[in-house]
Amino acid sequence: GEKVEQHESTLSVREGDSAVINCTYTDTASSYFPWYKQEAGKSLHFVIDIRSNVDRKQSQRLIVLLDKKAKRFSLHITATQPEDSAIYFCAASSYQGGRALIFGTGTTVSVSP
Amino acid sequence: DPKIIQKPKYLVAVTGSEKILICEQYLGHNAMYWYRQSAKKPLEFMFSYSYQKLMDNQTASSRFQPQSSKKNHLDLQITALKPDDSATYFCASSQDAGGRTQYFGPGTRLLVL
Repeated sequence: GEKVEQHESTLSVREGDSAVINCTYTDTASSYFPWYKQEAGKSLHFVIDIRSNVDRKQSQRLIVLLDKKAKRFSLHITATQPEDSAIYFCAASSYQGGRALIFGTGTTVSVSP
Repeated sequence: DPKIIQKPKYLVAVTGSEKILICEQYLGHNAMYWYRQSAKKPLEFMFSYSYQKLMDNQTASSRFQPQSSKKNHLDLQITALKPDDSATYFCASSQDAGGRTQYFGPGTRLLVL
């Protein structure tokens, strides 16, 4: 089955800098790649996603890149703010089976003023 | 108003007992899911349902049984509880199962003593 590896377990950045989180996946059938943010003690909040028919997507300060050949995707948080501090999870899903989201292990992002 | 309701928010159970976790969504979605998050296995997919039919089950144990009495309900019955079942259980839903964004409920935190 699909396995998603999230490469950075923690990331510390200064306010205003960019944070980059990298994930790789194993299943070539995966075609949908969402990102979620989880603040302490709270649920998962959807932030952005990308589908396999594009290789870049931007939503305000968030950019997602997808490299299908390398089976790698990444989240770029630009102009970071303290409220960006949270755990970020990448996930992958295919159109086969039950559309399960297979998650990475999470990256704790800390933005210091 | 919360669009995905999970009840109860916290649950303490005795080993060997049985509990039901409730999930209701008011987003008009046709697909619903259960995920589990614990210290040992962060964010693990359990079940997916579409139009009240089971699509995928990646839970090895038959002690976990989803129950869908209405289109917008997907409860989770857990029997013969074990301390290892201690986790936060998240319900999620999406418009349909075709790679659409999944929105997560607030979770039920289960502690088995």
